[in-house]
Amino acid sequence: NAGVTQTPKFQVLKTGQSMTLQCAQDMNHNSMYWYRQDPGMGLRLIYYSASEGTTDKGEVPNGYNVSRLNKREFSLRLESAAPSQTSVYFCASRDGYEQYFGPGTRLTVT
Amino acid sequence: KQEVTQIPAALSVPEGENLVLNCSFTDSAIYNLQWFRQDPGKGLTSLLLIQSSQREQTSGRLNASLDKSSGRSTLYIAASQPGDSATYLCAVSWISGSARQLTFGSGTQLTVLP
Repeated sequence: NAGVTQTPKFQVLKTGQSMTLQCAQDMNHNSMYWYRQDPGMGLRLIYYSASEGTTDKGEVPNGYNVSRLNKREFSLRLESAAPSQTSVYFCASRDGYEQYFGPGTRLTVT
Repeated sequence: KQEVTQIPAALSVPEGENLVLNCSFTDSAIYNLQWFRQDPGKGLTSLLLIQSSQREQTSGRLNASLDKSSGRSTLYIAASQPGDSATYLCAVSWISGSARQLTFGSGTQLTVLP
C-alpha cells in the first residue's frame, strides 16, 4: 500500500498564480485533511472532509479551496497565491482513531 | 480556545540518557492524543496513539502517558540514541471537534549527542 501520496513535492509560484495540490489515499478512509506547517510551528488545519461529498473549514481556510473528488482524492487549490502561503502542506487521512500523513508539498510563493 | 503546548522547544542530551518530553492541553475532554516524529524536511511518522480511556501506551523504547485531569501527556524515551534526533509533535483530538481533527503543539526539537 502507498498510504497517503501528495503531488507535487516542491513548487515555486509567483504572486497571483494559481495551482492545485493533489492528495490521494488507498486505505479506504472516510476522513481527509489538509494542514500547513510554518517554521517553528506545529501543523494548522486548513480544511477537512469528514466523508465523500462534504468539506468544512479548519483554523486557517482563507485563500484556499478544496475538492473531495471521490473517496480517495482530496485536492487543495490556491486561486491567487500570496507570499504568506509559503509553507509546507500536508495531507492526512484517518481511520477510526489515527491520522496518517503524506510526505508533504513544499510551496514557495515569490 | 483549545490549545496544545510543548515545552521545551528544544532539548539536547548525551547518548544513553533517558528523557521526557512534555505536552499540555487546555481541555480535558479529549478523544485521543497522538505523538509524532518529524525528521528535517520530511513528513510525520506516528509513534503512539493514546485513547481517552487509556493511561499509557508503549512501543519499544517509547512510553507515552496521559493524565486528562491535569491536561498533560509525556513521552518517555529510554536509552536515547543519535538516531532519535528529530522534532517530536504532540497532537490532540477533542470530543467537541469535528471529524476528529487534530490540534498540534509546536513541537520539541530533540538532539541526541554521540
